[in-house]
Amino acid sequence: GIQVEQSPPDLILQEGANSTLRCNFSDSVNNLQWFHQNPWGQLINLFYIPSGTKQNGRLSATTVATERYSLLYISSSQTTDSGVYFCAVQTGANNLFFGTGTRLTVIP
Amino acid sequence: DTGVSQDPRHKITKRGQNVTFRCDPISEHNRLYWYRQTLGQGPEFLTYFQNEAQLEKSRLLSDRFSAERPKGSFSTLEIQRTEQGDSAMYLCASSLRGAEAFFGQGTRLTVV
Repeated sequence: GIQVEQSPPDLILQEGANSTLRCNFSDSVNNLQWFHQNPWGQLINLFYIPSGTKQNGRLSATTVATERYSLLYISSSQTTDSGVYFCAVQTGANNLFFGTGTRLTVIP
Repeated sequence: DTGVSQDPRHKITKRGQNVTFRCDPISEHNRLYWYRQTLGQGPEFLTYFQNEAQLEKSRLLSDRFSAERPKGSFSTLEIQRTEQGDSAMYLCASSLRGAEAFFGQGTRLTVV
């Protein structure tokens, strides 16, 4: 099956700093989503971004489908950004495959 | 519509008991997915339905697990003869024709 790798696995930031999270995938995809998992375990949708660039407030994402990677940018990080960020991809009509996540800790 | 709803949120059961979880998808979403997540890992696919048809099952879904989606609306996931290794967060998601998927809050199962 498709391989989804996220980096870095762990990231510690000072509040106010910027960061870039990366997602590499091993095959062509027709769907890519970024999620933030909150401390209670719920997956919150951040971006649905099979290709191109999107922005939502302090967050933005870029997917370069031809090169099989996606980036999630977090600017001016806040303590509430802490948690695990997952990239998930879908090929054809199949289900979503998740990466192992990036655990972000933002310290005040 | 309030999103994907899962019930119960938490379940503690003794080893060997049967448990059943329910998922109510976003209305009009024809696809419904079940995932399992253990500590420190990403969600792992278990099975998915398109309307009432179960189209794919992971090999993680042993014969003790069964899922149904009668009438293409809500879904249930049953685990028979639970084992300690079944302790995990069980997540349900729905989407419209395989587009953006939305997840519920999950059911956290603890087998003691």
